[in-house]
Amino acid sequence: QKEVEQDPGPLSVPEGAIVSLNCTYSNSAFQYFMWYRQYSRKGPELLMYTYSSGNKEDGRFTAQVDKSSKYISLFIRDSQPSDSATYLCAMSANTGTASKLTFGTGTRLQVTL
Amino acid sequence: DAGITQSPRHKVTETGTPVTLRCHQTENHRYMYWYRQDPGHGLRLIHYSYGVKDTDKGEVSDGYSVSRSKTEDFLLTLESATSSQTSVYFCAISELLGSTGELFFGEGSRLTVL
Repeated sequence: QKEVEQDPGPLSVPEGAIVSLNCTYSNSAFQYFMWYRQYSRKGPELLMYTYSSGNKEDGRFTAQVDKSSKYISLFIRDSQPSDSATYLCAMSANTGTASKLTFGTGTRLQVTL
Repeated sequence: DAGITQSPRHKVTETGTPVTLRCHQTENHRYMYWYRQDPGHGLRLIHYSYGVKDTDKGEVSDGYSVSRSKTEDFLLTLESATSSQTSVYFCAISELLGSTGELFFGEGSRLTVL
């Protein structure tokens, strides 16, 4: 079993929909949680960062962490065609361990007009 | 965009040949990383560097070596390429350990081993 599980999709939604992307994990030591966005044939870029449990909001994006369930989510409100990309969750146990990030496999999102 | 340049961007080679991928940064970041990305596996760390001449292994380091003789350059070498090393390779940099874990990625090098 992988440490981080992520549904690969593809997930297709109409423009304006609310999107929910999720990851589950098994390592209870994880406490730093990130979402990266990757456009086709590009490198990933950091979208959201959350420490421990709770919510974090940035514009149309909300990251949610439930450590008791070992479950993290990324919500996208009012989705746009420009949101079409692959979304990777990533997590680590300690600060100072960018070298120890564990990535999910990514969920491909398609937002249609 | 972070100043990271990977070369070559595309390469087709044959089994058994040596291959070197280059990552060049203009950000003067201390930490540099090589990842590979494969369907069903996501991003996996091959090697990383925490300074000139200071490198360490990641989770999938077998068959790969790295070198960092200057802050700005991090080389990944496949001494004898195999078909299982067909992948997209990403270089990444970070300013500090102890940061939010933010990595800045290059645009990738697509390697095909026939």
